[in-house]
Amino acid sequence: EPEVTQTPSHQVTQMGQEVILRCVPISNHLYFYWYRQILGQKVEFLVSFYNNEISEKSEIFDDQFSVERPDGSNFTLKIRSTKLEDSAMYFCASSSLSGNYGYTFGSGTRLTVV
Amino acid sequence: AQTVTQSQPEMSVQEAETVTLSCTYDTSESDYYLFWYKQPPSRQMILVIRQEAYKQQNATENRFSVNFQKAAKSFSLKISDSQLGDAAMYFCAYRSAKAGGTSYGKLTFGQGTILTVHP
Repeated sequence: EPEVTQTPSHQVTQMGQEVILRCVPISNHLYFYWYRQILGQKVEFLVSFYNNEISEKSEIFDDQFSVERPDGSNFTLKIRSTKLEDSAMYFCASSSLSGNYGYTFGSGTRLTVV
Repeated sequence: AQTVTQSQPEMSVQEAETVTLSCTYDTSESDYYLFWYKQPPSRQMILVIRQEAYKQQNATENRFSVNFQKAAKSFSLKISDSQLGDAAMYFCAYRSAKAGGTSYGKLTFGQGTILTVHP
């Protein structure tokens, strides 16, 4: 079964540093998403991406965040200057054009900001 | 904006017994999809079951079934013959069925219910 692949599985970074979280969505999917889950809390939507542009973003997704699809396979989330409160699990997901089903989620990247 | 509420932070069940997890949601839309996701300790998000709002028939997947009450905006998950492997955090989620627009595809999650299964 096709998978969404996320790397790295765990990243530790110092406050103020830039991080890039990487995702390889399912190849024939056209919609891509990032979600965040602070430990023990609910999963929160960050951003959706379609046709090489952001289609929706939440209030969490401020100027410190950016997304990019640099080639035909990767989908990245960049945090420019990390804060302690950015420590969370970050999930990438993708869905097909029809979209009448749930997504396929990646296994997540645990980001720890120290 | 849509909201999803799971009022049970924790539930427990004996192995082989049945448990029901509650979920309510608020929306002004008539066409949407509802999902239950399971998140085991590995924190992977696993789709358990989905329901299209236009379908009156409740979805069923093996031991998992839902009770979808559209008028009441309620979407509960029933797990029959509970197994130790069912222990996890369960999230209810909502997705608009509106094609295009700015909200297409976004999932809105509830707060989650931690399910413990006792042997």
